[in-house]
Amino acid sequence: DAGITQSPRHKVTETGTPVTLRCHQTENHRYMYWYRQDPGHGLRLIHYSYGVKDTDKGEVSDGYSVSRSKTEDFLLTLESATSSQTSVYFCAIGQGRETQYFGPGTRLLVL
Amino acid sequence: KQEVTQIPAALSVPEGENLVLNCSFTDSAIYNLQWFRQDPGKGLTSLLLIQSSQREQTSGRLNASLDKSSGRSTLYIAASQPGDSATYLCAVKRDTGNQFYFGTGTSLTVIP
Repeated sequence: DAGITQSPRHKVTETGTPVTLRCHQTENHRYMYWYRQDPGHGLRLIHYSYGVKDTDKGEVSDGYSVSRSKTEDFLLTLESATSSQTSVYFCAIGQGRETQYFGPGTRLLVL
Repeated sequence: KQEVTQIPAALSVPEGENLVLNCSFTDSAIYNLQWFRQDPGKGLTSLLLIQSSQREQTSGRLNASLDKSSGRSTLYIAASQPGDSATYLCAVKRDTGNQFYFGTGTSLTVIP
């Protein structure tokens, strides 16, 4: 596996609370991505980063923000979690337009 | 927007059978197409990557084909084994941008 870790791996939180998920890589890849996976929808891109402090929105970015202050870390923040954000969140990394390598995922339950 | 469809959603076959998984996409202006495997509760593992200029890629018992003009790809698995049981996802990257568009996957069960 590529050197990608996600933390936490599991989280239960309440509606309205802020939540931050962390993705950490040891591969020095330029690109980092956050996806969510939901039954019937497959994986959908939330945000991605193409360099330190350089980020862009994906197709389901509403309610999410990201930050990348170092090459190795990409943070996903839910400012005020809602039940619709209950999902499995995957981080991925890549060097360019070729393959992406995925982390193990974070299961988030918003009550 | 690129729409990616995988049919069937689930497939069950006896061990040793050859099988084909299908992926279709709506916009033929793609950069590449990739097949992934996902085991329950795990992340995605890349199986095969086909560039838009290629027609197929092979790795062991796996063969992926691409017909860009018709918007279709197939993943052929030869001599299936119980260890092949997993969900298989295809993903398409468009000519522009860095986003992968994923299908919803085919859940494969190989019965011993």
